[in-house]
Amino acid sequence: QVQLQESGPGLVKPSQTLSLTCTVSGGSISSGTYYWSWIRRPAGKGLEWLGRVYTSGDTNYNPSLNSRVTISVDTSKNQFSLKLSSVTAADTAVYYCARGPGGWHWGQGTLVTVSS
Amino acid sequence: QTVVTQEPSFSVSPGGTVTLTCGLSSGSVSTGHYPSWYQQTPGQAPRTLIYYTDTRSSGVPDRFSGSILGNKAALTITGAQADDESDYYCVLYMGSGIDWVFGGGTKLTVL
Repeated sequence: QVQLQESGPGLVKPSQTLSLTCTVSGGSISSGTYYWSWIRRPAGKGLEWLGRVYTSGDTNYNPSLNSRVTISVDTSKNQFSLKLSSVTAADTAVYYCARGPGGWHWGQGTLVTVSS
Repeated sequence: QTVVTQEPSFSVSPGGTVTLTCGLSSGSVSTGHYPSWYQQTPGQAPRTLIYYTDTRSSGVPDRFSGSILGNKAALTITGAQADDESDYYCVLYMGSGIDWVFGGGTKLTVL
């Protein structure tokens, strides 16, 4: 059974870049025709899809993030990553990584707080 | 910009049946939007219930079912139980350039 685990700093200063990594275990990130997504849930709000990456490196992003988001994959490490630039307090959220398509398979999530 | 709509809240009695819906601010939901449904309780990761409109995820009891009702996607829970009290989110595929858009979620109360 594949498992996903998010990791990264829990506190980021405003205007800096948020960086998170999702480590995939129990299977190769390159096997199958999957894509790998990032989703977040700000406190008191709903879920928001941020973007996805294929193991080919192709990406799709939520246009509402105004090009602040970059998602990449490192097949040698069985990981994929999220970078969100120029963060503000509005980016404070629990960030999840997930595998699709079909029913998404989720990581447990990690809380990132944007504060000085 | 198209918005995915869900009832903000819903209430059901234990043992009762409830249908939550997922619509579009403009247009109809179809199987081509690949509607999926997720359940989330406080402090937990979302749990996949239904994908591709009506496919139940592994381990999900058959009292959860998905469908298209009229111009919306629907999640029906039959025989509601206390631990069904959660937030429920639908997500739709809106096509290239927009990709996946979540609804605002429905807070289901079982009482």
